[in-house]
Amino acid sequence: AQSVSQHNHHVILSEAASLELGCNYSYGGTVNLFWYVQYPGQHLQLLLKYFSGDPLVKGIKGFEAEFIKSKFSFNLRKPSVQWSDTAEYFCAVTGGATNKLIFGTGTLLAVQP
Amino acid sequence: KAGVTQTPRYLIKTRGQQVTLSCSPISGHRSVSWYQQTPGQGLQFLFEYFSETQRNKGNFPGRFSGRQFSNSRSEMNVSTLELGDSALYLCASSLVGGRSYEQYFGPGTRLTVT
Repeated sequence: AQSVSQHNHHVILSEAASLELGCNYSYGGTVNLFWYVQYPGQHLQLLLKYFSGDPLVKGIKGFEAEFIKSKFSFNLRKPSVQWSDTAEYFCAVTGGATNKLIFGTGTLLAVQP
Repeated sequence: KAGVTQTPRYLIKTRGQQVTLSCSPISGHRSVSWYQQTPGQGLQFLFEYFSETQRNKGNFPGRFSGRQFSNSRSEMNVSTLELGDSALYLCASSLVGGRSYEQYFGPGTRLTVT
């Protein structure tokens, strides 16, 4: 069955700390990978995406993610977090000729000033 | 360019009633997908419409239905509401159907069933 796992459910960091959120997927075949962010009181926004090509993708606000096919992983990273990065982060995958996004359970990130 | 809009933003209904939610995609986007977000189940795919045709359907009972109009606007309907249908219903649009296009989400409709 298709699934996405986010192992970190709740992460607390201090400003300027580095961030890495784990994401593993289970999907047979070619996949497209996404990270979405949901800031408090706001709607889901696309942070970055991977369709093909360079496995290291850069997104908005200094975020990046690396697709490692052999590990079925797509971890999100940011070298130095800010208080404004406090939000919930969702990893998601689509596969085949479909727009059906399969989401992970989300990681709630709290950045302390 | 205006984003995805959803109406109404908040809704309170009673068990057994039915409800219709509306979604207007980004101008030029032809694919509309619907998702349900709850604290317990997270974000779950309901269905996708493209060119007025349902392309994909998630694992929800037949009480959940939808449609898409020729202008790409979409509605979803939930009949015989149950308490468990209380959720945030999100609509997402993309340029076309298919895997190579990102989806943009609206603010959602918060449905409370009492």
